[in-house]
Amino acid sequence: NAGVTQTPKFRVLKTGQSMTLLCAQDMNHEYMYWYRQDPGMGLRLIHYSVGEGTTAKGEVPDGYNVSRLKKQNFLLGLESAAPSQTSVYFCASSHEQGYNEKLFFGSGTQLSVL
Amino acid sequence: GESVGLHLPTLSVQEGDNSIINCAYSNSASDYFIWYKQESGKGPQFIIDIRSNMDKRQGQRVTVLLNKTVKHLSLQIAATQPGDSAVYFCAENRDNNYGQNFVFGPGTRLSVLP
Repeated sequence: NAGVTQTPKFRVLKTGQSMTLLCAQDMNHEYMYWYRQDPGMGLRLIHYSVGEGTTAKGEVPDGYNVSRLKKQNFLLGLESAAPSQTSVYFCASSHEQGYNEKLFFGSGTQLSVL
Repeated sequence: GESVGLHLPTLSVQEGDNSIINCAYSNSASDYFIWYKQESGKGPQFIIDIRSNMDKRQGQRVTVLLNKTVKHLSLQIAATQPGDSAVYFCAENRDNNYGQNFVFGPGTRLSVLP
């Protein structure tokens, strides 16, 4: 039982390059989320999805795009990477949203933008 | 602005002692809270949760206390072990301008001394 799997685990980009982070979950969860984690700050929500084919903006969506073409996958894209996007990115999923529903997290992707 | 925060960014305890990690929240409408543990290089892992209609909940070696009067949440770890060394986050579930989602505190790093 893999849970939430993120790929890649590490990546270094140059400013202006693009990339896609992949998140896959095998728990048949409806909800999926992308967070970023920066030193001294809590996890901040970038985008989320309440089901296949849906996406919504979170707290810090600028510079990112997402897609949820399949229920088990949630992709995070950076079209033109900036140094401010250097961070650790976590994907999470949950069966329901909100009250009384805990998040299951992947192991993270460390991204450096030079 | 409203946020979830922590009283102490770091905490060092002797092995075998009890640990208390604190969290302050400012949104009185928040009705569900979770504590997560994050070990180095891993994603956050669920520890324990509590609803706003409760003031205490116990798990295995962990207890969460909720004081709604002063908007304070704490995590107590009994007989702290080396494996408890990690960063601990509190998260509150509340309505934001981007939907109902969890807001995370910046975290407390717990170090267990031999």
